[in-house]
Amino acid sequence: GEDVEQSLFLSVREGDSSVINCTYTDSSSTYLYWYKQEPGAGLQLLTYIFSNMDMKQDQRLTVLLNKKDKHLSLRIADTQTGDSAIYFCAESIRWMNTGFQKLVFGTGTRLLVSP
Amino acid sequence: DAGVIQSPRHEVTEMGQEVTLRCKPISGHDYLFWYRQTMMRGLELLIYFNNNVPIDDSGMPEDRFSAKMPNASFSTLKIQPSEPRDSAVYFCASSLALGMNEQYFGPGTRLTVT
Repeated sequence: GEDVEQSLFLSVREGDSSVINCTYTDSSSTYLYWYKQEPGAGLQLLTYIFSNMDMKQDQRLTVLLNKKDKHLSLRIADTQTGDSAIYFCAESIRWMNTGFQKLVFGTGTRLLVSP
Repeated sequence: DAGVIQSPRHEVTEMGQEVTLRCKPISGHDYLFWYRQTMMRGLELLIYFNNNVPIDDSGMPEDRFSAKMPNASFSTLKIQPSEPRDSAVYFCASSLALGMNEQYFGPGTRLTVT
């Protein structure tokens, strides 16, 4: 199947760390992504990780990948109110016999950051 | 570049009417995608084009939906006739090439069918 699962909601206080979790299904996924959607806007790529990596850090963002368990997480350090948004996990899967790797998105996790 | 442009931003129509959603991808991008987002089903890929040619439309819900890309800078998604269950936010996205390349999303069209 092509299911990417995430918890639907996460609430944290400003300054705390946020951890958003995701499980995916395709062990052959080459890339895994985190997209952010702010209210009334389209999705925007936040970060991605190549499948042969375990961790990627980018400023306040840390992505951890556990390929054995097909588990991906996004940690946001020092979470700010401006981080409130919906965060989508996505996996790339090879589309039939083409070279294209289509994206399958999770349901999204709504992050609410309170002052 | 102005990014991916979609119009209209909001559309309210009555059941049975034809709806046409428009998209202008980022100049030079080879791929164009149409997605639909609802609370119940999340984000679904409807169809994608490569160099103006539809590649996979397996995500298109039914024959009432059709998409075209007459040239590299314009695509339409048409619903005829529309039904209340088509109410959703429709996103267009484009990307530069195969593989990992980032998909750039438009702001979406919020469609309400009454």
